[in-house]
Amino acid sequence: DQQVKQNSPSLSVQEGRISILNCDYTNSMFDYFLWYKKYPAEGPTFLISISSIKDKNEDGRFTVFLNKSAKHLSLHIVPSQPGDSAVYFCGAKGAPGSARQLTFGSGTQLTVLP
Amino acid sequence: KAGVTQTPRYLIKTRGQQVTLSCSPISGHRSVSWYQQTPGQGLQFLFEYFSETQRNKGNFPGRFSGRQFSNSRSEMNVSTLELGDSALYLCASSLAQAYNEQFFGPGTRLTVL
Repeated sequence: DQQVKQNSPSLSVQEGRISILNCDYTNSMFDYFLWYKKYPAEGPTFLISISSIKDKNEDGRFTVFLNKSAKHLSLHIVPSQPGDSAVYFCGAKGAPGSARQLTFGSGTQLTVLP
Repeated sequence: KAGVTQTPRYLIKTRGQQVTLSCSPISGHRSVSWYQQTPGQGLQFLFEYFSETQRNKGNFPGRFSGRQFSNSRSEMNVSTLELGDSALYLCASSLAQAYNEQFFGPGTRLTVL
């Protein structure tokens, strides 16, 4: 039973355009969400996060949007650069009193074409 | 500050054998979590250790076990290896238990033949 789902295994975008990566979750106890980026032969690195009390968080070219009613979040990268080509994992964490470990989706391979 | 280190980086074993993987967290980090990454399955949580005690456990069989030492270093053990255990095993450290941001090591690539 996957509680965090990334339904697009891959995404290709032209350099300079917007990349939109999507993530859906089923557990209403999740209250903190994170995005990690992973290059081959390296561990995932933290990218950006958002608390459930917010609906948007921005950090440079990266913006995460959270729609709690739809249990959906998305990561926007503008403008996309070839160096952004990596696997992106969406992660979610439970509120105090629930399971606190990070639950990840299966990842989306982003390819930014020059 | 040195990052999370994992040893060995690559490992080849045969079915039925057992394996021990090691993880050294970032200095000052007291929580260590382990994940299994396989194609199509993403990062699946194995367990989390804090102050030498297992605090959370994922949905894996008892063949998967771990421990944490007083210096926060952690080991993960898999007994009676199966072909399906072939995966990248990632260790992540954080300042405290259930801390939001985790820092990952490069992983140990385990191949079971």
